[in-house]
Amino acid sequence: RKEVEQDPGPFNVPEGATVAFNCTYSNSASQSFFWYRQDCRKEPKLLMSVYSSGNEDGRFTAQLNRASQYISLLIRDSKLSDSATYLCVVKGDSWGKLQFGAGTQVVVTP
Amino acid sequence: GAGVSQSPSNKVTEKGKDVELRCDPISGHTALYWYRQSLGQGLEFLIYFQGNSAPDKSGLPSDRFSAERTGGSVSTLTIQRTQQEDSAVYLCASSPGTGETQYFGPGTRLLVL
Repeated sequence: RKEVEQDPGPFNVPEGATVAFNCTYSNSASQSFFWYRQDCRKEPKLLMSVYSSGNEDGRFTAQLNRASQYISLLIRDSKLSDSATYLCVVKGDSWGKLQFGAGTQVVVTP
Repeated sequence: GAGVSQSPSNKVTEKGKDVELRCDPISGHTALYWYRQSLGQGLEFLIYFQGNSAPDKSGLPSDRFSAERTGGSVSTLTIQRTQQEDSAVYLCASSPGTGETQYFGPGTRLLVL
């Protein structure tokens, strides 16, 4: 079983709509959680950290469910520029080694 | 300021040849990471450097892979006797310290023919 699993998608989303997707992780001792965004043929970039109480950053909302070992990302009022692959990232120990999911592709259509 | 830079951006080599990939981290960042990403796959951790500590090489897939970090700054990832399965994008990341946000370079796309 992979340590971090994601639905690869693609999630086809009309512009202006809301899309949400989850990521599950296997290590219950995982300490920190992040969503990275990766555009086609580009490097990953940090989108947002995920905090225990959930957090928002503009149109993006992240949630953590430790009991069920998943995190989620919700994008409201989708823009064409939101089209990308969203990588779920889990940090399992103190020194910073990150476990990456394979990514969820989101395609926002006009 | 300048971000993480990597060179070359693309590398095509023949099976059996050695290749060297270079990473220049953000100035002042003490932690440096190498990952690789195969087509349609997630990132696979390779190796981690933190300051002057011994690197964590637990992700290196075989002894054909090695990496150095000179003077706590520039890092070189070397792949000896390349194989076709080594074809991937090799990404370098740096962070100000352990456990902090990692900033990625643009990657080196390696194709082994």
